[in-house]
Amino acid sequence: LAKTTQPISMDSYEGQEVNITCSHNNIATNDYITWYQQFPSQGPRFIIQGYKTKVTNEVASLFIPADRKSSTLSLPRVSLSDTAVYYCLVGDMDTGRRALTFGSGTRLQVQP
Amino acid sequence: DTAVSQTPKYLVTQMGNDKSIKCEQNLGHDTMYWYKQDSKKFLKIMFSYNNKELIINETVPNRFSPKSPDKAHLNLHINSLELGDSAVYFCASSPPYGGEEKLFFGSGTQLSVL
Repeated sequence: LAKTTQPISMDSYEGQEVNITCSHNNIATNDYITWYQQFPSQGPRFIIQGYKTKVTNEVASLFIPADRKSSTLSLPRVSLSDTAVYYCLVGDMDTGRRALTFGSGTRLQVQP
Repeated sequence: DTAVSQTPKYLVTQMGNDKSIKCEQNLGHDTMYWYKQDSKKFLKIMFSYNNKELIINETVPNRFSPKSPDKAHLNLHINSLELGDSAVYFCASSPPYGGEEKLFFGSGTQLSVL
């Protein structure tokens, strides 16, 4: 099971772009990279998922280099409401046969 | 409508008691999970069920027993509660393999064992 390493915390200001990098050196061929967001007293919420290169949706972008040993979640122009914990998850869900354990996440604090 | 709902949201109980947490999903998913989040915010999988069949049991004490009466429900029963069981428990579900591989979480049950 691929282990992930992320910064424990990050600080930013409203309107800035935030990039959170996750290391996953032993990612397997079938593994996807998925990012989740968690607010206090809520369950994690899916943000974005990718396998290689770049993926973009209405919320974020995900950059994955060719060797796939790391990935970067990019949040454009953050607001106060983006203050949350962000988890990087690497795995192949395959009908739930793979145990998916989240790391401790990155606590993003956005200030005015 | 809430996609994954779990009850109760808060559960305070004494050591040694038995308690249950219920989970239901209305997304039509085949796979459901229980996760435990400790005070350091690590989210660790406990169980996974696919179509009512236990798929994953991650070295969880026998005091924890999941039950899936149908694929839309996955309940968690805990016997002889201990102080170390205090945590937030999340239920989740995921669509069938081949679709978008993501987890849908409930809002959590905060269990406090006194």
